[in-house]
Amino acid sequence: RKEVEQDPGPFNVPEGATVAFNCTYSNSASQSFFWYRQDCRKEPKLLMSVYSSGNEDGRFTAQLNRASQYISLLIRDSKLSDSATYLCVVSSKSSGDKLTFGTGTRLAVRP
Amino acid sequence: GAVVSQHPSRVICKSGTSVKIECRSLDFQATTMFWYRQFPKQSLMLMATSNEGSKATYEQGVEKDKFLINHASLTLSTLTVTSAHPEDSSFYICSAYGTSVSYEQYFGPGTRLTVT
Repeated sequence: RKEVEQDPGPFNVPEGATVAFNCTYSNSASQSFFWYRQDCRKEPKLLMSVYSSGNEDGRFTAQLNRASQYISLLIRDSKLSDSATYLCVVSSKSSGDKLTFGTGTRLAVRP
Repeated sequence: GAVVSQHPSRVICKSGTSVKIECRSLDFQATTMFWYRQFPKQSLMLMATSNEGSKATYEQGVEKDKFLINHASLTLSTLTVTSAHPEDSSFYICSAYGTSVSYEQYFGPGTRLTVT
């Protein structure tokens, strides 16, 4: 079983749509959780950290369910510029803060 | 945010040659740098963790004699792919981590290696 699992997609949505991505992780000792965005042939860029209480940054909302070992990302009012691959990432102190990446979920927003 | 550079951004080399990739933290001191590899349509896979002044720690399955890592200063780490083969063709990305700039890892722009 992969340490971090994501639906690879692609998710094809029209502009303005709301889209949700899910992610599960297998290491119950994971302590830090992130969503990264990666554009084609580029490095990943931190989109947002995910906190236990859930957090929002503009059109983006992240949720964490530790009991189910499940993380989600909700994007509201999708823009064309949101088209990218979204990577679910976890780390734990016991692994020396190494980041473990999911394979990513591809989002394509169409006009 | 903090800036990490990589050089070269793209390299094509012949099979059997060695290639060196540099990773620099430009405006902070990186106590730890990580090297990742990403094959098409796959996730980033950690290859090794390097701490300044000490030997790198390699992930299982990564050959330390093939992927030589040197972290000689707090702003520079190098990855040398020795005797490269076509299967080593990949996107190599470094990240740098320095406690002075929060606990976030900052990624370099990546190096695309093609071995012919």
